[in-house]
Amino acid sequence: GAGVSQSPRYKVTKRGQDVTLRCDPISSHATLYWYQQALGQGPEFLTYFNYEAQPDKSGLPSDRFSAERPEGSISTLTIQRTEQRDSAMYRCASSLEAGGLAANTGELFFGEGSRLTVL
Amino acid sequence: AQTVTQSQPEMSVQEAETVTLSCTYDTSENNYYLFWYKQPPSRQMILVIRQEAYKQQNATENRFSVNFQKAAKSFSLKISDSQLGDTAMYFCAFMKHETGANNLFFGTGTRLTVIP
Repeated sequence: GAGVSQSPRYKVTKRGQDVTLRCDPISSHATLYWYQQALGQGPEFLTYFNYEAQPDKSGLPSDRFSAERPEGSISTLTIQRTEQRDSAMYRCASSLEAGGLAANTGELFFGEGSRLTVL
Repeated sequence: AQTVTQSQPEMSVQEAETVTLSCTYDTSENNYYLFWYKQPPSRQMILVIRQEAYKQQNATENRFSVNFQKAAKSFSLKISDSQLGDTAMYFCAFMKHETGANNLFFGTGTRLTVIP
């Protein structure tokens, strides 16, 4: 697609429910990132993919968080047994080259985010 | 570990004036990128300007320029001729210059308000 697309834009759920967020990166972008942004804070790294490989998931806050990118394009972020502290904006970004080092730019392209509210 | 510090939570500037947003960072890396991203009320993340650490020349993009001081690990953003559309949250970010580890480390942001 022309840009990074995320869905849903807004999600309200009750504590204890599972949620799945989706990211459709820019077509041909090899690398995909997930970030969590709490209100009033900067985005914090969760995990990233090079195609379908997931070299780094060190930022996932607990084992309730998992991400997939089975065919190297669309990715999902799943939060199981949601807690109120999971409420945040979840941002996806993509970049051109594998390893995330976009050719000559280092630039990541961000989606508009999915705002999750856990009641 | 990399850290990025933005010491100004909020700033304001009169329309058409110039404002400078501060950013410092801490790293042991020698090669890296630095970025300023803008987050308007729409909550998009828009790249404003980028600097490669190996370049001594400060990056410039129209009304936006940076003052990159590598030894001091400082990377400030200057906005000239401020416009109402510049009102946004501004994030400074750091990225290592290597494959396989290119996530961005963000500061906590500076909220800029341009006053008409």
